[in-house]
Amino acid sequence: GAVVSQHPSRVICKSGTSVKIECRSLDFQATTMFWYRQFPKKSLMLMATSNEGSKATYEQGVEKDKFLINHASLTLSTLTVTSAHPEDSSFYICSARVPQAGDQETQYFGPGTRLLVL
Amino acid sequence: DQQVKQNSPSLSVQEGRISILNCDYTNSMFDYFLWYKKYPAEGPTFLISISSIKDKNEDGRFTVFLNKSAKHLSLHIVPSQPGDSAVYFCAATFTGNQFYFGTGTSLTVIP
Repeated sequence: GAVVSQHPSRVICKSGTSVKIECRSLDFQATTMFWYRQFPKKSLMLMATSNEGSKATYEQGVEKDKFLINHASLTLSTLTVTSAHPEDSSFYICSARVPQAGDQETQYFGPGTRLLVL
Repeated sequence: DQQVKQNSPSLSVQEGRISILNCDYTNSMFDYFLWYKKYPAEGPTFLISISSIKDKNEDGRFTVFLNKSAKHLSLHIVPSQPGDSAVYFCAATFTGNQFYFGTGTSLTVIP
């Protein structure tokens, strides 16, 4: 079955530094990937939709200059948290959508990256 | 390989009847399981969870059952309502640092 990996799984950084998180589809090509942020009540907030070869589409309230998304290939999307602050500490999850017939939506989620900004 | 599987990509149920969504997992180390509900263009919303020390957890119309020996999880919605129509994802974790999601089941509740 399709697998999506994320790297790193955990990262601790100092305030003001930038952190890059990778999301890879391991055995399939993903033209569309999504980036989510998990909040304390466990729900996932959609941050942006990443399309290969084009600019990401950000959800309202998400700073695109702070959360840089690059989808340079059909198997890799990256999220860079620039000038990280403690309030950016969170769990970031990516997913890849696999085209299906009809209106069905199949998403393969990565295992997540826990970011702690000190 | 997928450690959490939802083998039914879609399910249709009549309003008022029971919806049963199933989820299977392979890793016996998982100790916490969650169900999420997702509408189009939104992130998955947490619905209900269960710890591996329990076999049932109920919250209103939603009940999650856990069968550890079968490595099987199910979500029951009774009675089903049209507003329940969404994609449902199950997820599992054992460290709290990584979550393993199923691929989702699209539920349609027919009025």
